[in-house]
Amino acid sequence: ELKVEQNPLFLSMQEGKNYTIYCNYSTTSDRLYWYRQDPGKSLESLFVLLSNGAVKQEGRLMASLDTKARLSTLHITAAVHDLSATYFCAVDPESTSGTYKYIFGTGTRLKVLA
Amino acid sequence: NAGVTQTPKFRILKIGQSMTLQCTQDMNHNYMYWYRQDPGMGLKLIYYSVGAGITDKGEVPNGYNVSRSTTEDFPLRLELAAPSQTSVYFCASSPGLAGVSEQYFGPGTRLTVT
Repeated sequence: ELKVEQNPLFLSMQEGKNYTIYCNYSTTSDRLYWYRQDPGKSLESLFVLLSNGAVKQEGRLMASLDTKARLSTLHITAAVHDLSATYFCAVDPESTSGTYKYIFGTGTRLKVLA
Repeated sequence: NAGVTQTPKFRILKIGQSMTLQCTQDMNHNYMYWYRQDPGMGLKLIYYSVGAGITDKGEVPNGYNVSRSTTEDFPLRLELAAPSQTSVYFCASSPGLAGVSEQYFGPGTRLTVT
């Protein structure tokens, strides 16, 4: 069974600190997506990683993909309160078949404390 | 562009009732998806469609039906609602272009079955 696991599941951190969220998946995939969800809201796309070694940065967030290790990381630099949200990774294991079906991770609920 | 729209935003159903969740996208995307998100969990794929007239099951299709008569619309039908179907339902669409399978999500429908 395909699994997409994130850790930690919950993260409480102080403003100004750095931290990394990990996303491990159990099948071959060269595509991985990161989404943000605010409480009671929909999902907003953050990053699209399409190949091994891909790295993307937006503000205080940086995402990377290692397809050989089946691992993606979302690194937070100098956290601010506005980054408080739940972060999901999603894997597209059938990218070659063209169905573009995602398998979502369990989510990491981030709370940044002032 | 409105993007992906869903109606209703909230609904309470009694056990055994039926209803249709509406989803419309105005981005001319071929691919559309229905997910459910249980409290504190990730998203699970219910059904998806790769184009008008073509639908297929996802991870958790039992108790649901879909149709796709136009590119824009992808309604989800619940027959004989059960408490286990209490969840938030998200519709998403994707252009399905090679190398660009990013999904765009609607605002969600919060459904309670009592």
